[in-house]
Amino acid sequence: GDSVTQMEGPVTLSEEAFLTINCTYTATGYPSLFWYVQYPGEGLQLLLKATKADDKGSNKGFEATYRKETTSFHLEKGSVQVSDSAVYFCALSDRGGSYIPTFGRGTSLIVHP
Amino acid sequence: DTAVSQTPKYLVTQMGNDKSIKCEQNLGHDTMYWYKQDSKKFLKIMFSYNNKELIINETVPNRFSPKSPDKAHLNLHINSLELGDSAVYFCASSRELADTQYFGPGTRLTVL
Repeated sequence: GDSVTQMEGPVTLSEEAFLTINCTYTATGYPSLFWYVQYPGEGLQLLLKATKADDKGSNKGFEATYRKETTSFHLEKGSVQVSDSAVYFCALSDRGGSYIPTFGRGTSLIVHP
Repeated sequence: DTAVSQTPKYLVTQMGNDKSIKCEQNLGHDTMYWYKQDSKKFLKIMFSYNNKELIINETVPNRFSPKSPDKAHLNLHINSLELGDSAVYFCASSRELADTQYFGPGTRLTVL
């Protein structure tokens, strides 16, 4: 079946540091890939997405590129802020497969001033 | 306007009780979901409805029963609550299957 693997956290950074959160996936069909963010005490919200190979999703300074050859969708940001502290989830929905949304286990990001 | 709303936000109850959580979306979406998030933030899909039809029914005890009276509502009823049911339950909706999901604020269930 489909699966998503993302790096374990917590990831602890100083403000203005560079962020990478790795995400790799396995899927049988044509997955759409997503990054969701969950702030403390809230539900998940979409951060960015990509629906086909080589697409780049971007939002709020975050970027991720859909790499079919390496089955990856790594999240990056050039300069993190304290307000970026949250849990980040990589996810896929497989249009040609089961359609069941599959989430990674989440990566907690803590940014210190 | 809240896109996906859930009630109640907090639910504290005794083992063995029956409880319901309600979810409503005003986005006009066709697909709705229930997820369970444990204390380590692991998110597990439980059910999904598309146009009021159950399409995803993952390995969940049959004490959990979803009900979709119309496309805008998906409720979750839980019978004979157990300690292990304590978690945060999220409702979500999407325009169609495999599309971006919009999540509610969550219901924190505590079983004593």
